[in-house]
Amino acid sequence: DTAVSQTPKYLVTQMGNDKSIKCEQNLGHDTMYWYKQDSKKFLKIMFSYNNKELIINETVPNRFSPKSPDKAHLNLHINSLELGDSAVYFCASSLLNTGPNVLTFGAGSRLTVL
Amino acid sequence: LAKTTQPISMDSYEGQEVNITCSHNNIATNDYITWYQQFPSQGPRFIIQGYKTKVTNEVASLFIPADRKSSTLSLPRVSLSDTAVYYCLVPAYSGAGSYQLTFGKGTKLSVIP
Repeated sequence: DTAVSQTPKYLVTQMGNDKSIKCEQNLGHDTMYWYKQDSKKFLKIMFSYNNKELIINETVPNRFSPKSPDKAHLNLHINSLELGDSAVYFCASSLLNTGPNVLTFGAGSRLTVL
Repeated sequence: LAKTTQPISMDSYEGQEVNITCSHNNIATNDYITWYQQFPSQGPRFIIQGYKTKVTNEVASLFIPADRKSSTLSLPRVSLSDTAVYYCLVPAYSGAGSYQLTFGKGTKLSVIP
C-alpha cells in the first residue's frame, strides 16, 4: 500500500497549457504539502494544508493553486505553464501533533514544459 | 529563521563510518532536528530525528551538542546503497502557528567500492 501517491509520475506539456497533479495519502495525516525540486536539487516548499486550510503559502506565482477536497487529498493545479515550471513536484504529509517536521513524501511528479 | 548549512558533497569507501554535520545556528528552543535521505528519482525518506544529546535507530545515529547549533548524522559502515543526498531539516517558525519546512541544499554522499 503506497502511503503517499502522486499522479501522474511524468507530465510533458506545452507552454501556456493548464495541468494538474494529484496527491493522496492513506496515513491519516492532517497536513499535506507540495514541494518543488528544481534541476539544482533544491527542495522548496510551496504550500501546506492543515485540515483543508492553507497554513503556509510561500511566494509562488498565483498560477499555482492547491486544492484540497478532503484531508487525504491535496491537488496542485498550474495555469499558463512556463518553461521555468519544469521541475519535480513532491507531495508530502505529516501529523502535526507528533512534531511539524516528520514528513512522508510521495515519489514525485516530473513536469517538463516545452 | 533557522537556516541549515551542510557540506555539498562527501566521498567514502564502503565499510567506513560517515559523519555529516549540519549547522543551524538560529535553532529555536522547541525545534527538533530531522534528517532525510533521497535517492535519485525518489522522494526524501525520513532517517532520524532528535532534540538533544544522542539518538540511535537501526539506520543511523544523531549527535547533538548541548548548544544545539549543529548536529551530526552518523552512518555506520556504509555500503554502495547508501549513496544518496542527505538533508538536514530544522523547521523555521513563521508565525501564527505555522512553520517553514524548507530544506537546505543537502549533502551528496558517494560511496566508493
